[in-house]
Amino acid sequence: AQKITQTQPGMFVQEKEAVTLDCTYDTSDPSYGLFWYKQPSSGEMIFLIYQGSYDQQNATEGRYSLNFQKARKSANLVISASQLGDSAMYFCAMRIPSMRFGAGTRLTVKP
Amino acid sequence: GAVVSQHPSRVICKSGTSVKIECRSLDFQATTMFWYRQFPKQSLMLMATSNEGSKATYEQGVEKDKFLINHASLTLSTLTVTSAHPEDSSFYICSASGQGRYQPQHFGDGTRLSIL
Repeated sequence: AQKITQTQPGMFVQEKEAVTLDCTYDTSDPSYGLFWYKQPSSGEMIFLIYQGSYDQQNATEGRYSLNFQKARKSANLVISASQLGDSAMYFCAMRIPSMRFGAGTRLTVKP
Repeated sequence: GAVVSQHPSRVICKSGTSVKIECRSLDFQATTMFWYRQFPKQSLMLMATSNEGSKATYEQGVEKDKFLINHASLTLSTLTVTSAHPEDSSFYICSASGQGRYQPQHFGDGTRLSIL
């Protein structure tokens, strides 16, 4: 069975610093997609970044990068130069074929 | 980017009422639509997956007769909560995507359902 694990219920980071949000997954399917979404307090789900299981390079999107370690089955999200507006819930998700989510990490950026 | 519109954003109604939530993909054809439920401070739980013109596939533990899903076109899916009770109060989020497991799912803004 597929499983997504986020072990950090909450994280704090100082404004302008970088932060890593952890995500591990488990699947026997060799083909899968990994996603990160941001959910602010208003509730909408905002797509941040995607990594395919066959991608050779780590995905990057602006201040977001994904540290993909296939052998360890981890897909950590790195946010560089944190901003106050980054405070939100962050969900790691895997699509095989429906998207399923980890428990989430609440990130708080301190001024 | 792809836009998914979900309506209404908030519903408050009496116990026993049936409530319909609409999910529309505005600028792309949604081969597959998904419905999620989210309790406060918890993650999104997949309720069902529907393909256009087919019956929805429900997750284990989700009552088909309680949560009716219709996906009649490539741009519209509806979730009807029948005879809603206070325990059905939750945040419901729809999602849509094109074909392919590498496609991101685009989410509506959610519907906050409160049953009195």
